[in-house]
Amino acid sequence: NAGVTQTPKFQVLKTGQSMTLQCAQDMNHEYMSWYRQDPGMGLRLIHYSVGAGITDQGEVPNGYNVSRSTTEDFPLRLLSAAPSQTSVYFCASSPLSGADGDEQFFGPGTRLTVL
Amino acid sequence: GEDVEQSLFLSVREGDSSVINCTYTDSSSTYLYWYKQEPGAGLQLLTYIFSNMDMKQDQRLTVLLNKKDKHLSLRIADTQTGDSAIYFCAVTYALNFGKGTSLLVTP
Repeated sequence: NAGVTQTPKFQVLKTGQSMTLQCAQDMNHEYMSWYRQDPGMGLRLIHYSVGAGITDQGEVPNGYNVSRSTTEDFPLRLLSAAPSQTSVYFCASSPLSGADGDEQFFGPGTRLTVL
Repeated sequence: GEDVEQSLFLSVREGDSSVINCTYTDSSSTYLYWYKQEPGAGLQLLTYIFSNMDMKQDQRLTVLLNKKDKHLSLRIADTQTGDSAIYFCAVTYALNFGKGTSLLVTP
C-alpha cells in the first residue's frame, strides 16, 4: 500500500491564481480530511469527508473547496489564492472503524507559497 | 471546536525523561492520541489510550490519563536525540489537535 499520497510537494502561486492539491489513499478509508499547519497554530482542519459524496467544513474552510467523488480521492481547490493561504497542507485518512482507535494516516504534505 | 492545550516547547538532555502535557475539554472522546511529527514530514501516530484506561506503557513511552482533570501526558524515558520532534495531542477521532510541543533533545 502506498498509504496517503499528496501532490505536488511544493508549489508557488501568484495571488489570484487557482490550483488543486491532490490527495489519494489506497486503504479504502471512509474518512478523509485536509489540514493546514502554520507556525504556532498547530493543525487546523479545513474540510473533511466521511465518505464518497459527503463533505463538510472544518475550522478554517474559507477560500477552499473540496469534493469527494470516489473513496480514494479528496482534492482541495484554491479558487483564488491569497498570501494568507501560504502554509503546509496535510491530507489524512482514517477507517472510522471506532474499534480500531481511528488512527489518522497522514500524507507527506504540500508546501504552498502564495506571492 | 474543542480546546486542546499543550505547552509549546520542551528541552531535555539526552538520557533524561521527557514529559509532555496536554489538557482538553471534550470528555466524550473514546480515544486520546499522541502523534509525532519529524522535521519536513507528516504526522505519525505514536500511541493512543482508550478513555477507560489510566495508563498505557509501550516500551519507552508511558501515557497517563486523568479523566477527572482532563489531563493527558506522554512520558518518554531515556530520551534520545532522535526523539526531537513536534508532539501533538489529539482527541475526538483526532479531529482536534493541540498546537504541538516542540521537543528538543540536547547531547
